[in-house]
Amino acid sequence: NAGVTQTPKFRILKIGQSMTLQCTQDMNHNYMYWYRQDPGMGLKLIYYSVGAGITDKGEVPNGYNVSRSTTEDFPLRLELAAPSQTSVYFCASSYAGQEAFFGQGTRLTVV
Amino acid sequence: AQSVTQLGSHVSVSEGALVLLRCNYSSSVPPYLFWYVQYPNQGLQLLLKYTSAATLVKGINGFEAEFKKSETSFHLTKPSAHMSDAAEYFCAVSDQGTDKLIFGTGTRLQVFP
Repeated sequence: NAGVTQTPKFRILKIGQSMTLQCTQDMNHNYMYWYRQDPGMGLKLIYYSVGAGITDKGEVPNGYNVSRSTTEDFPLRLELAAPSQTSVYFCASSYAGQEAFFGQGTRLTVV
Repeated sequence: AQSVTQLGSHVSVSEGALVLLRCNYSSSVPPYLFWYVQYPNQGLQLLLKYTSAATLVKGINGFEAEFKKSETSFHLTKPSAHMSDAAEYFCAVSDQGTDKLIFGTGTRLQVFP
């Protein structure tokens, strides 16, 4: 009963490096989301997808890219890491308009 | 676009006291509403949801929320706080146009013995 799986759980990046945060779900949900969580700021939507091949920007998309080649996978790409991207990242999935199921998060530090 | 406002970033109660966490939404049409809980270093877990059936919604761990259209509110309550309720709580709304989930800024609940 995997649900939403995110990897890695922790990562330290140097400024300017790139990385991909992986997210996969096994519930056949059409919607997938990436959020970042900063202390006292709640969850900010980075990107979301309503189905394979379709992605859209959320509130804070700058510095990130996504793709959705399959229903199951929704990776988040950071091309040139900056200290402002230090955060906890959550992937989630849902059916349209329904409750979202979350992964355990990726704690990213950019130094 | 829809939004939710959570009043009070921190709420402190004594064990056994009433818990009241406030959430107001912005919408002319009753949306789908959710409450999530986040324990330290974990992901978010659904507490309860409102999807236009009963206005009083019961969730897990003794929590409930009442949808009040006249007040555009969906406050979360629990009659008697337990130490294990200490966590961060998020209200969320399903955006009418896109169906994406929009979250409030969260309320951290502290429970004192």
